[in-house]
Amino acid sequence: RKEVEQDPGPFNVPEGATVAFNCTYSNSASQSFFWYRQDCRKEPKLLMSVYSSGNEDGRFTAQLNRASQYISLLIRDSKLSDSATYLCVADSSYKLIFGSGTRLLVRP
Amino acid sequence: DTAVSQTPKYLVTQMGNDKSIKCEQNLGHDTMYWYKQDSKKFLKIMFSYNNKELIINETVPNRFSPKSPDKAHLNLHINSLELGDSAVYFCASSQDRPHTQYFGPGTRLTVL
Repeated sequence: RKEVEQDPGPFNVPEGATVAFNCTYSNSASQSFFWYRQDCRKEPKLLMSVYSSGNEDGRFTAQLNRASQYISLLIRDSKLSDSATYLCVADSSYKLIFGSGTRLLVRP
Repeated sequence: DTAVSQTPKYLVTQMGNDKSIKCEQNLGHDTMYWYKQDSKKFLKIMFSYNNKELIINETVPNRFSPKSPDKAHLNLHINSLELGDSAVYFCASSQDRPHTQYFGPGTRLTVL
């Protein structure tokens, strides 16, 4: 079993839609969680950290459920520029473990 | 100013050759990393250095040898390149571990 698992997608949504991604992690000792965004042929960039109480950054909302060991990302009012791969990340033994990513395509 | 930079951006070489990739960060971070992203887009850590000391060494062939001359630089030397080494190699840095990491633009290595 992979340490961080995500649905690879793609999620194909119209502009303005709300879309949610989930991911699960296997290490119950993980303490730090992130969502990264990776555009085609570019490096991963931090989108947001994920806090226990949930957190919001503009159109993006991240949630953490420790009991079920899953993390979610909600994107409201999708823009064309949101098209990218979203990587779920959890720490494990002093290193970050990246999921293989969920691809989002936002169409006009 | 680029925070984490890598050279070269593209590297095409023959099997059996030896090549190096360089990474520099100007963020003042203590920890640097090398990741490999294969054709399936899976990003996997290879090595990590903290203040020039090797702290993470994943199951990587010993043909791969990292070197950190100072905490702002982390280079990766690869001996006897194989077809399976073709991938994108990303350098990253963070202040402390395993906090938020900042990635370089990547080096796309193609072994022919």
